[in-house]
Amino acid sequence: AQTVTQSQPEMSVQEAETVTLSCTYDTSESDYYLFWYKQPPSRQMILVIRQEAYKQQNATENRFSVNFQKAAKSFSLKISDSQLGDAAMYFCALTGANSKLTFGKGITLSVRP
Amino acid sequence: DGGITQSPKYLFRKEGQNVTLSCEQNLNHDAMYWYRQDPGQGLRLIYYSQIVNDFQKGDIAEGYSVSREKKESFPLTVTSAQKNPTAFYLCASSMGLAAYEQYFGPGTRLTVT
Repeated sequence: AQTVTQSQPEMSVQEAETVTLSCTYDTSESDYYLFWYKQPPSRQMILVIRQEAYKQQNATENRFSVNFQKAAKSFSLKISDSQLGDAAMYFCALTGANSKLTFGKGITLSVRP
Repeated sequence: DGGITQSPKYLFRKEGQNVTLSCEQNLNHDAMYWYRQDPGQGLRLIYYSQIVNDFQKGDIAEGYSVSREKKESFPLTVTSAQKNPTAFYLCASSMGLAAYEQYFGPGTRLTVT
């Protein structure tokens, strides 16, 4: 069985500042993939970033980057230069090579102007 | 425009009635999924399908049924056996399981009274 834990239900960041969202996971598979999805108030789920476990280099997508610590089973998302449009619910998710996607419970991020 | 459509956006039913939620995709994806989202619960997998005429139970399949007669369509029926059907339902699709990004529809909010 695989699990994803997002222990912080809510976070807040000042516009233009940097914020880090935490995620830990557990899996028995050696080949797996990690994702961060964003769900804005419209409730449309959007992929933010993806990390292959076999890659040592942390994934980056514009203002979004991850800190992937494989030994610690940690996968945090860093948002730089936060914008009002970043306010949303963020879900960490995990899938093994032969399994389905497992989501964390999500974290609500608010951005203060 | 390629994407996933779910209809209707809001659905109201009386207790004891079966109801079918529609999900259509024109992305030529093989895999399709149904998730349920409740406050504080994240996304939980109901059913998924890798190919036409084949589908698998997810983590919370009881009280639900699906069909996959066409590649483009994956309707979900919420039966009267589902004890707590009021929720937000999300459909998704991907090229395959595991490593592939899932694309989500806009969701259907089902209210059963």
